[in-house]
Amino acid sequence: NAGVTQTPKFRVLKTGQSMTLLCAQDMNHEYMYWYRQDPGMGLRLIHYSVGEGTTAKGEVPDGYNVSRLKKQNFLLGLESAAPSQTSVYFCASIRTSGRGETQYFGPGTRLLVL
Amino acid sequence: GDSVTQMEGPVTLSEEAFLTINCTYTATGYPSLFWYVQYPGEGLQLLLKATKADDKGSNKGFEATYRKETTSFHLEKGSVQVSDSAVYFCALTAGGTSYGKLTFGQGTILTVHP
Repeated sequence: NAGVTQTPKFRVLKTGQSMTLLCAQDMNHEYMYWYRQDPGMGLRLIHYSVGEGTTAKGEVPDGYNVSRLKKQNFLLGLESAAPSQTSVYFCASIRTSGRGETQYFGPGTRLLVL
Repeated sequence: GDSVTQMEGPVTLSEEAFLTINCTYTATGYPSLFWYVQYPGEGLQLLLKATKADDKGSNKGFEATYRKETTSFHLEKGSVQVSDSAVYFCALTAGGTSYGKLTFGQGTILTVHP
């Protein structure tokens, strides 16, 4: 049981390049989330999904797209990377949205946009 | 909207000192409250949680009590260890149709010296 995994661990992009971050979970969780972590700002929600084939915007969705074609995978795409997207990206999942459900986090992807 | 405010850091303590990290929140409905910990170079791990007023969450010597009257969820530990050095995040999920989305505080860096 690997939990939540993220690929890649680290990436350097040039401004304008595109990339996709992959999140995978093997816990059969329905809900998945993408957050970004910036110094002094905690984690902020980018997009989330409440089930296969669904996606919704979070607090800071601009410049990102997501897809949930399979229940176990949640992809985060940057179509045209900008230096402001330099951050650490965390994926998380929960079984349901019931009261007090614990979110399980992946190890993070560190992205540097030059 | 929902928000979480943590005490400003960083916090530096000597081993065996008493720790308090303040956390207050604003939320509609009846939120669930969480403390997450992030060790250097790792993702977030759930430390403790509370789902209703007057609940006390506890784990690894850490405690926090859900105080609805003061909208607070302060983290405490009676005797910290060097291994407790990490970043601590207070977070909430709002009641109702929040879909399990977490709202985080900005994080508090704790450094414990021998």
